[in-house]
Amino acid sequence: TQLLEQSPQFLSIQEGENLTVYCNSSSVFSSLQWYRQEPGEGPVLLVTVVTGGEVKKLKRLTFQFGDARKDSSLHITAAQPGYTGNYLCMGSARQLTFGSGTQLTVLP
Amino acid sequence: GAVVSQHPSRVICKSGTSVKIECRSLDFQATTMFWYRQFPKQSLMLMATSNEGSKATYEQGVEKDKFLINHASLTLSTLTVTSAHPEDSSFYICSASRVRGVYNEQFFGPGTRLTVL
Repeated sequence: TQLLEQSPQFLSIQEGENLTVYCNSSSVFSSLQWYRQEPGEGPVLLVTVVTGGEVKKLKRLTFQFGDARKDSSLHITAAQPGYTGNYLCMGSARQLTFGSGTQLTVLP
Repeated sequence: GAVVSQHPSRVICKSGTSVKIECRSLDFQATTMFWYRQFPKQSLMLMATSNEGSKATYEQGVEKDKFLINHASLTLSTLTVTSAHPEDSSFYICSASRVRGVYNEQFFGPGTRLTVL
């Protein structure tokens, strides 16, 4: 299993700030999923992107799939403490590929 | 979204015993399921790919005789940790692959916390 390069690994910000998480790979994916995981629980699917250049929004979260379907980003606008958690990207191709996760802490 | 369950959610066992963990896709069929383990504050580590009706494919470094996987139906995969030892204590998670036309989506179970005394 190849790793998606996910960055940053850790991020601590104040409530109201914006942030972006990146997932990059040299592989082309048929789809890419973003998940959020809280301690002691399994990852929960946030969104699936399929088409190159696709943009999806989920409240304050904006997900983008690269034109070549090799990379993706998650942008959070005016983050709130409730968004604290571990964010994980996972790409689907001939094999499963996932990032190392981004531990986000939003301080009140 | 699709639902994947795991049972049990927590298990405590004595060293040397075997423990079985079930992973079920409740509202879709999954020809492929995956098993992971996760240590505190670390990322998921893929252990094996479970294929319905055939042998599981294990990642490098994962002992297939230690971690037995059976995918007997399109909605159930089991992971048996044989002769468990304290170092096997971990958080075990499964995911099930749902086919959506030309791509697959992974849905994760809630995880099983294994503690070996």
